Amino acid sequence: GAVVSQHPSRVICKSGTSVKIECRSLDFQATTMFWYRQFPKQSLMLMATSNEGSKATYEQGVEKDKFLINHASLTLSTLTVTSAHPEDSSFYICSARGAGDHEQYFGPGTRLTVT
Amino acid sequence: GQNIDQPTEMTATEGAIVQINCTYQTSGFNGLFWYQQHAGEAPTFLSYNVLDGLEEKGRFSSFLSRSKGYSYLLLKELQMKDSASYLCAVLNSNYQLIWGAGTKLIIKP
Repeated sequence: GAVVSQHPSRVICKSGTSVKIECRSLDFQATTMFWYRQFPKQSLMLMATSNEGSKATYEQGVEKDKFLINHASLTLSTLTVTSAHPEDSSFYICSARGAGDHEQYFGPGTRLTVT
Repeated sequence: GQNIDQPTEMTATEGAIVQINCTYQTSGFNGLFWYQQHAGEAPTFLSYNVLDGLEEKGRFSSFLSRSKGYSYLLLKELQMKDSASYLCAVLNSNYQLIWGAGTKLIIKP
């Protein structure tokens, strides 16, 4: 149990375009979802935390207008990278946590390359 | 501030034992996690400790001392596939996960 999927697994886009990444909890209800970014050879960096039905809480230094997060249901959260630039190229990972649960279950990640 | 410290890199020999240490200072404590992450992949859960002591799970064991703000992950009978980064993370009083930078473990034949 506790499976989280992400789509797409890899995406290449041109500079200036927007990209949407989906994160789904397949067999449990995720009251909270987390979005992380990881640059090569660095640790995970939390970008934002979203609770179902409410606005996401962004970490310091993360632009909310650039990284749009929607958590409209208990099984789906989306991250949209707007007007992507090459410096946004990274590994984006979501995780999900159920009500009363302490563990976060990670999706497989999305490799974004902006050309 | 909150911080998690763990060694950047460790090297060990196949078949041997290695201990990866983690020290933490966080605002409150609701448990400590160890995750394994292979290059280019998402982290996978290894262990969760919330009480002091040793938790054993097959070849992997995790130890916690809350009074010392200290944990270690012990890997026995090392295999080449254990080459990965090992991430220590603490759940603070706000139920936020505070992440260490990870320890890259290199296994040599």
